[in-house]
Amino acid sequence: SQQGEEDPQALSIQEGENATMNCSYKTSINNLQWYRQNSGRGLVHLILIRSNEREKHSGRLRVTLDTSKKSSSLLITASRAADTASYFCATDASTNAGKSTFGDGTTLTVKP
Amino acid sequence: ETGVTQSPTHLIKTRGQQVTLRCSSQSGHNTVSWYQQALGQGPQFIFQYYREEENGRGNFPPRFSGLQFPNYSSELNVNALELDDSALYLCASSWDRSNYEQYFGPGTRLTVT
Repeated sequence: SQQGEEDPQALSIQEGENATMNCSYKTSINNLQWYRQNSGRGLVHLILIRSNEREKHSGRLRVTLDTSKKSSSLLITASRAADTASYFCATDASTNAGKSTFGDGTTLTVKP
Repeated sequence: ETGVTQSPTHLIKTRGQQVTLRCSSQSGHNTVSWYQQALGQGPQFIFQYYREEENGRGNFPPRFSGLQFPNYSSELNVNALELDDSALYLCASSWDRSNYEQYFGPGTRLTVT
């Protein structure tokens, strides 16, 4: 079974709008990562946030982590059609580098 | 581009057959992990290799096995294929087993009929 659950499962927005995806997990973690996947191909690493961090930014991406609620959110601002993809959160326990546990993803569609 | 390559891109096999999938890691990356991604789901960790030895396994049966070679390439072997083995198989390399950032290849789409 998967550790993380993304919410919503699917999201459709207009270009220029913001997109927010949420991830919840069950056990304690060392860090949490977000990945993007286009059309069932390889995963692209977006951002890593450590368990002692609360917020992290990278370009148009903003990630928050609330370890007390075991949840994280990914915000994509000013979305573009090229952001259309599936987004996955992945958690890593302290002794399991490179053995990530993924959720089932949010499919984002950005309409031009 | 992550510098991680996989071959073949697509593969069709019959139930009961054996298959070998290949991955070439980024130069200098001594750790490779393999994941299985069924349609509509997230990747599931199969196993990890560090310096040519298995370094952890997920909830997969022994008919899933692997090898890692000194030239940063690796293999995933699956024996006695079952229909449920149909999936996208992803390899991911990292510069060390203590490093959390992984670089994924484009995957091999395996269809078992």
